[in-house]
Amino acid sequence: DAKTTQPNSMESNEEEPVHLPCNHSTISGTDYIHWYRQLPSQGPEYVIHGLTSNVNNRMASLAIAEDRKSSTLILHRATLRDAAVYYCILSDTGNQFYFGTGTSLTVIP
Amino acid sequence: NAGVTQTPKFQVLKTGQSMTLQCAQDMNHEYMSWYRQDPGMGLRLIHYSVGAGITDQGEVPNGYNVSRSTTEDFPLRLLSAAPSQTSVYFCASSYKVGIPTGELFFGEGSRLTVL
Repeated sequence: DAKTTQPNSMESNEEEPVHLPCNHSTISGTDYIHWYRQLPSQGPEYVIHGLTSNVNNRMASLAIAEDRKSSTLILHRATLRDAAVYYCILSDTGNQFYFGTGTSLTVIP
Repeated sequence: NAGVTQTPKFQVLKTGQSMTLQCAQDMNHEYMSWYRQDPGMGLRLIHYSVGAGITDQGEVPNGYNVSRSTTEDFPLRLLSAAPSQTSVYFCASSYKVGIPTGELFFGEGSRLTVL
């Protein structure tokens, strides 16, 4: 599976939007882009996924670049409960996920 | 709805001891897997299974054995524990094999310390 590159950490003020970037320049045509997050002392949880088009769900939005070499997870209004490590993962099978170190998001009250 | 259940949540072993981490899911998921997470690192895939009777190795399989005799259960065995196996272990499952949009459901983790 292709690798992804994310910033180690980011900060955001509470109730402001957060844009978490992910670079995946070696993405293949069959790779889906998945985002998971891991709250402290918990297992990862699914956030969102997409292939080519931008995606929205109740948790977040996923903006995918036209060339698919990068994507951005958007949290529209950060809350303290959104403080977590966010992982950007590529997979063409939906099963074997290879996690990097992710982006640790700090939300400032 | 229990989801993915891992036991025990905490375990301390001495070097050379053996033990089994249990993982059970009640969602009739085909795919099950084990990850380990070391401090400051992401999750690394140990073993996975695409159905009863079928298992395969992930990134870091050495020192671990698995079996899948039923759809529901996927135990992880440490035959001779080493301090390098001190980690937090996560079990995860997914409904269908090979669907690229399949969501992984994770357990709460099992924290293992090997002295």
